[in-house]
Amino acid sequence: QKEVEQNSGPLSVPEGAIASLNCTYSDRGSQSFFWYRQYSGKSPELIMSIYSNGDKEDGRFTAQLNKASQYVSLLIRDSQPSDSATYLCAVNGGGFKTIFGAGTRLFVKA
Amino acid sequence: DTGVSQDPRHKITKRGQNVTFRCDPISEHNRLYWYRQTLGQGPEFLTYFQNEAQLEKSRLLSDRFSAERPKGSFSTLEIQRTEQGDSAMYLCASSFTRTGTGSSYEQYFGPGTRLTVT
Repeated sequence: QKEVEQNSGPLSVPEGAIASLNCTYSDRGSQSFFWYRQYSGKSPELIMSIYSNGDKEDGRFTAQLNKASQYVSLLIRDSQPSDSATYLCAVNGGGFKTIFGAGTRLFVKA
Repeated sequence: DTGVSQDPRHKITKRGQNVTFRCDPISEHNRLYWYRQTLGQGPEFLTYFQNEAQLEKSRLLSDRFSAERPKGSFSTLEIQRTEQGDSAMYLCASSFTRTGTGSSYEQYFGPGTRLTVT
């Protein structure tokens, strides 16, 4: 079992819709959770971090965490073509090592 | 620009040659990480420095790989006797220790060095 699992996609949504990206993790002791956006050929960019159960909103982005279910998600409201990228889920268990998922490719159709 | 910088951005080398990459972290960041990323995969942890101390090195990293961070500032990653399987994007990231908060693990990536071994 992979430590951080994501659906590889592609996830295709029309412009203006809500994109929902999901991630599950195996280490129940994980404490810090991150979403990175990565455009093709570029490096990952941190867009959201979440540390406690519930929702955290930042602009069009909402991160949701459910530690009991070992599940973290990212919602993108009013999706734009510029949101088309790979979204990486990353999980840290409190030490130095952050584990990244393989990413979900999102395609927003104009 | 006060972000993480990496040099070179691209490197093409022949199999068997040695290569060295440099990373300059965000100035106040005391933690520095190296990752390797191949197509369709997430970044894979290679090694970690806190200040000048290398605290962990991935078991996946062979003896051909070595990293240094003299004086706790910039870092170098050297690959000796390169193999075609070393072709990948090598990413450097940095973070700042904030006691008692998960934000210590918020990592900021440099642009990466794309290595092609022919």
